[in-house]
Amino acid sequence: QKEVEQNSGPLSVPEGAIASLNCTYSDRGSQSFFWYRQYSGKSPELIMSIYSNGDKEDGRFTAQLNKASQYVSLLIRDSQPSDSATYLCAVNEGDNYGQNFVFGPGTRLSVLP
Amino acid sequence: DAGVIQSPRHEVTEMGQEVTLRCKPISGHDYLFWYRQTMMRGLELLIYFNNNVPIDDSGMPEDRFSAKMPNASFSTLKIQPSEPRDSAVYFCASRWRDEQFFGPGTRLTVL
Repeated sequence: QKEVEQNSGPLSVPEGAIASLNCTYSDRGSQSFFWYRQYSGKSPELIMSIYSNGDKEDGRFTAQLNKASQYVSLLIRDSQPSDSATYLCAVNEGDNYGQNFVFGPGTRLSVLP
Repeated sequence: DAGVIQSPRHEVTEMGQEVTLRCKPISGHDYLFWYRQTMMRGLELLIYFNNNVPIDDSGMPEDRFSAKMPNASFSTLKIQPSEPRDSAVYFCASRWRDEQFFGPGTRLTVL
């Protein structure tokens, strides 16, 4: 059973701080990694994808991947109250979608003004 | 484009009734996914289609669940008979390259 684990939170950070969200996965064959944001009562939306070890930056967001440690993280710089949401980590083996595409339970982030 | 469209947005039904959820994917997207989200189990992939063909239905929980995609612009997820434990938010998503675009979801309550 492939598993993706995240701390459920809530993770509370003050406005302007760096929020760090973590995700571990069990399948060493995983190749694609995604971070989705889900506001309460809304649908998930993709914010970052990463495929290679290292960092990938997009605006205030940085995704970090370490395949040896089976670990992927998301950093949000200069956190804003509008970043308050649940962040879902998703992991896939290869570039196809199917039973190998697994979402983590999500981490609830609260950015305090 | 209007995005992925799902209907109904809310459905309340009684145990034993048939429920049909509908989805219209974004035009040109060749993959369509059905998910179920609950507090207990999180977001689960139920089934996905490629070019209208079901590829993997291993996530469908029971034979009470069935899904069809008769053409590129329409898919249904049917539950017959429905049970209280089917209560959840059901999302449809379509895919362009490596990004899935989710619909607004259908909140199903089975009494």
